[in-house]
Amino acid sequence: QKEVEQDPGPLSVPEGAIVSLNCTYSNSAFQYFMWYRQYSRKGPELLMYTYSSGNKEDGRFTAQVDKSSKYISLFIRDSQPSDSATYLCAMSVLRGNNRLAFGKGNQVVVIP
Amino acid sequence: DAGVTQSPTHLIKTRGQQVTLRCSPKSGHDTVSWYQQALGQGPQFIFQYYEEEERQRGNFPDRFSGHQFPNYSSELNVNALLLGDSALYLCASSSRQIGETQYFGPGTRLLVL
Repeated sequence: QKEVEQDPGPLSVPEGAIVSLNCTYSNSAFQYFMWYRQYSRKGPELLMYTYSSGNKEDGRFTAQVDKSSKYISLFIRDSQPSDSATYLCAMSVLRGNNRLAFGKGNQVVVIP
Repeated sequence: DAGVTQSPTHLIKTRGQQVTLRCSPKSGHDTVSWYQQALGQGPQFIFQYYEEEERQRGNFPDRFSGHQFPNYSSELNVNALLLGDSALYLCASSSRQIGETQYFGPGTRLLVL
């Protein structure tokens, strides 16, 4: 069983729709949860960083963590064509300097 | 404020050769981690350097080695290249004091023929 599972299936949505992405994980020691956005042939860019269970909102982005279910989600409201990218979930046991375990990534295409 | 920089951007090598990739961390960061990202996959942790020593290592063979310099920059060396080493190699930096998460560079795309 992989540490982090993320269904890599591409997702196409019309502009303005809500994008919903999720990851599951098996290592109950994970405490820090991140979402990165990666444009084609670029490095990952940090979008959201959360600790333990709960919700965090930043503009059009909302991250949710449910540690009891080992499940994390990212919601993008009012999606824009510029949101078209691959979204990677990542998690770590310790803060900051611990290794990150990544999911495979979800390719999202927002159609104008 | 310069972010994480990596060089070169692209590299083509043949099987059996050796390669060195370079990374300069974000200003104020002292810890460098390296990741390998194969096409269509998420990044896989190779190792992390802090105070010029390897502190953590992922499941990669000894062909992968690294170094950190006193100015916190880092190198990743891969010996005896295999076709399967073709990937995007990402460097990430962080601050051990601040303890925030890691910030990534643009990566070096390595193609092994």
